[in-house]
Amino acid sequence: GENVEQHPSTLSVQEGDSAVIKCTYSDSASNYFPWYKQELGKGPQLIIDIRSNVGEKKDQRIAVTLNKTAKHFSLHITETQPEDSAVYFCAATGYSTLTFGKGTMLLVSP
Amino acid sequence: GAGVSQSPSNKVTEKGKDVELRCDPISGHTALYWYRQSLGQGLEFLIYFQGNSAPDKSGLPSDRFSAERTGGSVSTLTIQRTQQEDSAVYLCASSLVQISGNTIYFGEGSWLTVV
Repeated sequence: GENVEQHPSTLSVQEGDSAVIKCTYSDSASNYFPWYKQELGKGPQLIIDIRSNVGEKKDQRIAVTLNKTAKHFSLHITETQPEDSAVYFCAATGYSTLTFGKGTMLLVSP
Repeated sequence: GAGVSQSPSNKVTEKGKDVELRCDPISGHTALYWYRQSLGQGLEFLIYFQGNSAPDKSGLPSDRFSAERTGGSVSTLTIQRTQQEDSAVYLCASSLVQISGNTIYFGEGSWLTVV
């Protein structure tokens, strides 16, 4: 089955800095890679996703890149704000269900 | 409904008791998923439904765990003879259909504490 590794487990940045979270996956058949943001006491919310026929996707301050050859994908957040503080999960799927990374706790200090 | 609804939001139960967790997916969504999230951990897949059938039950950790879905809508996750290691947040999610790349929406979760 699929295995997803996510790094770093925690990331502290100053407001206005950029943040990068990286994930690798094992199954070359995986073709869909979403990112979720989870705030304390809430369920995960989809923030951006990318499919295997695309190398990069941007949505305002958030971007995701995918390297299918190397089997890794990354989340980039620019101009971070305190409200970006949360746990971020990457995931991958090619079959029935999403396999998640273990999460990155992002802390943005004012 | 507007989103995935789960109940109860919080449940404290004594070790050995049975618990039922309910999930009401987004209206019209045919695929439904259950995940478990232990403190500080990632999301562990339990089971998914396409309609009323469960093609993949591979994530259920033991035979104390079962789930059903009726009418292609509401699902119930049952944990029998609860153990302390069952303490976790149980997350339900749904998607329009079960196709890779279909957006999956999560509920707020049911926080289960076994004492």
